[in-house]
Amino acid sequence: DGGITQSPKYLFRKEGQNVTLSCEQNLNHDAMYWYRQDPGQGLRLIYYSQIVNDFQKGDIAEGYSVSREKKESFPLTVTSAQKNPTAFYLCASSISARSNEQFFGPGTRLTVL
Amino acid sequence: AQKITQTQPGMFVQEKEAVTLDCTYDTSDPSYGLFWYKQPSSGEMIFLIYQGSYDQQNATEGRYSLNFQKARKSANLVISASQLGDSAMYFCAMSPYTGGFKTIFGAGTRLFVKA
Repeated sequence: DGGITQSPKYLFRKEGQNVTLSCEQNLNHDAMYWYRQDPGQGLRLIYYSQIVNDFQKGDIAEGYSVSREKKESFPLTVTSAQKNPTAFYLCASSISARSNEQFFGPGTRLTVL
Repeated sequence: AQKITQTQPGMFVQEKEAVTLDCTYDTSDPSYGLFWYKQPSSGEMIFLIYQGSYDQQNATEGRYSLNFQKARKSANLVISASQLGDSAMYFCAMSPYTGGFKTIFGAGTRLFVKA
C-alpha cells in the first residue's frame, strides 16, 4: 500500500535533548512537508522540501532542522533550541511543489518531560 | 494576507441529521483550492473534499458536499445523514495553485454526533 509512515507514534524526551522524527513516503512524491499542531489549533508549517537536497523554512522553523537526502525520506530534528517542543507533528507529501493536494502521515506526538 | 476562519469551535448534531461546518477565507491569489480534512482522535488527517476556485459546480463526495460561495469567500462543509463515526475535528484549508507549501489551515471545528 502506498502512503506515508511516521515513527514513532509517541515520543518522550528530556528537556535539552535533540530528537529526530521519521517520515517516509512511497508515493514517489517530490514535495514533503512538516507541520506542527498544538491543542485547539490548526496546522502550522515548519519546513518543506520541493525536491531532493532542497528544503525551505516555513512559518515556525526556529529550533527545528531537516534533511532531504532521499526522495522518500524527510526527517525532522527537534533541537534543544526549540522552546516549547511538546506538540503533535504531522508529515505530508504532494506530487510536486506545484500540487496543492497533500497526503498526511499518522503523526508523532512529542512530549518533553 | 491569507487567512482561514472557522468560527465554530464545537458543534453538536443528532445522528442521521445534516450539519454545516462554516469556513470563510481571505486570499489575494487569483486561483486557489479549498480543502476539508477530518482528524479523528487518533490524529491522522483524512482528506474529505476539494473545491477549485474556478469550478462551476460545488464539490460532492458521498455524504460530504462543499457549499462554495466565491463572492462571499465561504466554503462550508455539509455532512448529510451524520453518523457516530463522524465525531472528530474538521479543518478547512486553502492552497494557491502555485504551491502546496502555501497551504494554510483554520483552527478547526470539533463535531460531536449524538446517538
